[in-house]
Amino acid sequence: QKEVEQNSGPLSVPEGAIASLNCTYSDRGSQSFFWYRQYSGKSPELIMSIYSNGDKEDGRFTAQLNKASQYVSLLIRDSQPSDSATYLCAVNRNNAGNMLTFGGGTRLMVKP
Amino acid sequence: SQTIHQWPATLVQPVGSPLSLECTVEGTSNPNLYWYRQAAGRGLQLLFYSVGIGQISSEVPQNLSASRPQDRQFILSSKKLLLSDSGFYLCAWARDSYGYTFGSGTRLTVV
Repeated sequence: QKEVEQNSGPLSVPEGAIASLNCTYSDRGSQSFFWYRQYSGKSPELIMSIYSNGDKEDGRFTAQLNKASQYVSLLIRDSQPSDSATYLCAVNRNNAGNMLTFGGGTRLMVKP
Repeated sequence: SQTIHQWPATLVQPVGSPLSLECTVEGTSNPNLYWYRQAAGRGLQLLFYSVGIGQISSEVPQNLSASRPQDRQFILSSKKLLLSDSGFYLCAWARDSYGYTFGSGTRLTVV
């Protein structure tokens, strides 16, 4: 079992729809969770972080964390073609300091 | 504010040639520094990380090495490049548990 798993996609959604990206992790003691967006040919950029169970909203983005189910998700409301990118889930495992473990990423395509 | 610089942006090198990629961080002290490689269409592979000057941990045995000669400088090197070393190399820094900030990356093509 991979430590951080994501569906590689592509996930295709129409413009204006809600895109739902999912991530599961294996280390139950994981403390911090991050979502990165990576455009083709560019470096990843941090878009959301979440540390406690529940929802965290930032503009059109909502991160959801359920530690009991070892599940973290990212919702993108009113998806735009500019949201088309690969989204990487990253987990700070327990007792790993600042070390992050990344999932393989989900490619999102938003069609006009 | 903190910034991270990585260069060069692109590099084409022949097989067997040496490599030196440099990464520097500004606006912070004693950062944790990381080198990652991303092969085409693949995820991020952690190569090296450093928690301080001269302290290097290797995650993947290969013909690459890393050094940290100064607090905010991290260098990735190779004495002889292989075709399989081609990829997108990313430097990142972190402090506390607020996630990584990545540099702009170096696209290396070994020919």
